[in-house]
Amino acid sequence: NAGVTQTPKFQVLKTGQSMTLQCAQDMNHEYMSWYRQDPGMGLRLIHYSVGAGITDQGEVPNGYNVSRSTTEDFPLRLLSAAPSQTSVYFCASSYSSGGKNTFGSGTRLTVV
Amino acid sequence: SQQGEEDPQALSIQEGENATMNCSYKTSINNLQWYRQNSGRGLVHLILIRSNEREKHSGRLRVTLDTSKKSSSLLITASRAADTASYFCATQPRIGSQGNLIFGKGTKLSVKP
Repeated sequence: NAGVTQTPKFQVLKTGQSMTLQCAQDMNHEYMSWYRQDPGMGLRLIHYSVGAGITDQGEVPNGYNVSRSTTEDFPLRLLSAAPSQTSVYFCASSYSSGGKNTFGSGTRLTVV
Repeated sequence: SQQGEEDPQALSIQEGENATMNCSYKTSINNLQWYRQNSGRGLVHLILIRSNEREKHSGRLRVTLDTSKKSSSLLITASRAADTASYFCATQPRIGSQGNLIFGKGTKLSVKP
């Protein structure tokens, strides 16, 4: 089925560890983005990409890195995990930045 | 930077009743979108309304947009238990935000059978 695939679904990290959240889409969308969702905060944009080789910061980029080497993949890297990064992370893709977004099923991350 | 704010934060109704959720925003927009999120799942796109449109329908959903009041409403008619979910509005500001969508905090809808 066409869509956005995120892995893993759940992850527990220790403070200071690093990891990569994977995101892949098969709809040939140029625009991809990462959000974090915290209770009572809605979704906040971490990083986004308007095409392969182009990335930019969103509202809450600190502590995260991204790269976009292909149209399909947009991994999110946590450099040194902190408890404040405990959250649910969603990847989304769209034909354009303001268009209809297709979301992945999310990664629930806990940092202890 | 919160652009959209949904109202109410939570809504509980009986099956068969209509549910109305509102979204207010602060700056001029290109479009406004509504998404649904079932518990523990990703967001699903429901409807997109452009700034030059006033009303759109999709099945049991009706969305209105009043740009003079900077507000939108989502009406779900003849609600079902399966409509139980959180509903988010997202706006694309005309200026700023690099064209990215800004999401509100959502309305939690509970439909009791």
